Amino acid sequence: KNQVEQSPQSLIILEGKNCTLQCNYTVSPFSNLRWYKQDTGRGPVSLKIMTFSENTKSNGRYTATLDADTKQSSLHITASQLSDSASYICVVSAAGNTPLVFGKGTRLSVIA
Amino acid sequence: DADVTQTPRNRITKTGKRIMLECSQTKGHDRMYWYRQDPGLGLRLIYYSFDVKDINKGEISDGYSVSRQAQAKFSLSLESAIPNQTALYFCATRSGSTDTQYFGPGTRLTVL
Repeated sequence: KNQVEQSPQSLIILEGKNCTLQCNYTVSPFSNLRWYKQDTGRGPVSLKIMTFSENTKSNGRYTATLDADTKQSSLHITASQLSDSASYICVVSAAGNTPLVFGKGTRLSVIA
Repeated sequence: DADVTQTPRNRITKTGKRIMLECSQTKGHDRMYWYRQDPGLGLRLIYYSFDVKDINKGEISDGYSVSRQAQAKFSLSLESAIPNQTALYFCATRSGSTDTQYFGPGTRLTVL
């Protein structure tokens, strides 16, 4: 069964600090992986970082890496801001016309 | 204007009532989805549609039905609402070129 597991479930960090969120997946055949940000009570929004094969992609203060051998991805947030407080969801796409597979998300709280 | 809209945004209803949640999109995407989100469970797929004539069940379709009235419209119905259908419901589209999913603002449904 295709699955996406994220860790930690929740994380609290001080404003200005960096953090890394983890995603492990068992999706086959693998196509690509994206990270989404979901503010409380709102729909998820793509961070516009798509990774496939083994690579690293960045969008501003967000950097995502993918290791296809270990089937792991990480999202690194640098110089965190209060507005980064949200849930971050790892989403994997399988090849072919199949629905996306969602992780349950990591709830990040950035405090002053 | 929002690319994916949902109506109503909030709804409180009673057990046994029939409820329809509506979704419209202006992104021109063929693929549309309905998800529900519960605390701690992440997003779960209810139904999805690749075009007007193609409707598919997701992992939790029991108790729900859908109608794809046009490329831009995808409705979700609860024939006889029950309290465990209380959740946040999201409609989404998916780009065939970038594989990005675009979510609506959500409908918060409470079944008493």
